[in-house]
Amino acid sequence: GAGVSQSPSNKVTEKGKDVELRCDPISGHTALYWYRQRLGQGLEFLIYFQGNSAPDKSGLPSDRFSAERTGESVSTLTIQRTQQEDSAVYLCASSTGTSAETQYFGPGTRLLVL
Amino acid sequence: AQTVTQSQPEMSVQEAETVTLSCTYDTSESDYYLFWYKQPPSRQMILVIRQEAYKQQNATENRFSVNFQKAAKSFSLKISDSQLGDAAMYFCAYRRGLSGSARQLTFGSGTQLTVLP
Repeated sequence: GAGVSQSPSNKVTEKGKDVELRCDPISGHTALYWYRQRLGQGLEFLIYFQGNSAPDKSGLPSDRFSAERTGESVSTLTIQRTQQEDSAVYLCASSTGTSAETQYFGPGTRLLVL
Repeated sequence: AQTVTQSQPEMSVQEAETVTLSCTYDTSESDYYLFWYKQPPSRQMILVIRQEAYKQQNATENRFSVNFQKAAKSFSLKISDSQLGDAAMYFCAYRRGLSGSARQLTFGSGTQLTVLP
């Protein structure tokens, strides 16, 4: 079946603008994760959705970052008043939400803030 | 907090040879999972292999195998018969296994593998 998809693939924006990144998880996956990957580094956890439970927002770096998920489908990550340090690849992953789950990743959105 | 350390920023291997990538982790949990992901230039994170901490037997997937040393908190990846397509950044990752708790992955900083023809 189809994997995790993300859009846009690349986004260039000006400092101070808001951006919205989209993630479509694998159908039937109840859990969805957002990660950030700065250049040459590993992935940092941002936020986690599991079914209808309240999201785990413990990884969000500031209140400029927020995310929503509609049921068990699409999720959007919004960054308000972007800063140059927000430049990174933003990766989304989905999983079955069980204790033995494996996370499957999308291709990411590369964000460049000028 | 859990940490994952990859002490080899770069490694190289000759095509058809074997290479081992190192990973150590720190946790106080007894139930957890370990993963190796591969990230080629396309950015797509691809699962290579996973290991359940409660299993003593080392996981294998074709040319990929792990050496899981639970007491030493070590989880190395061995790639046999290396191929040009194996060239990528490899990330070691840890996840708690308890149900009901947050299950985000904690990643190491990665090892860039070059395969020489």
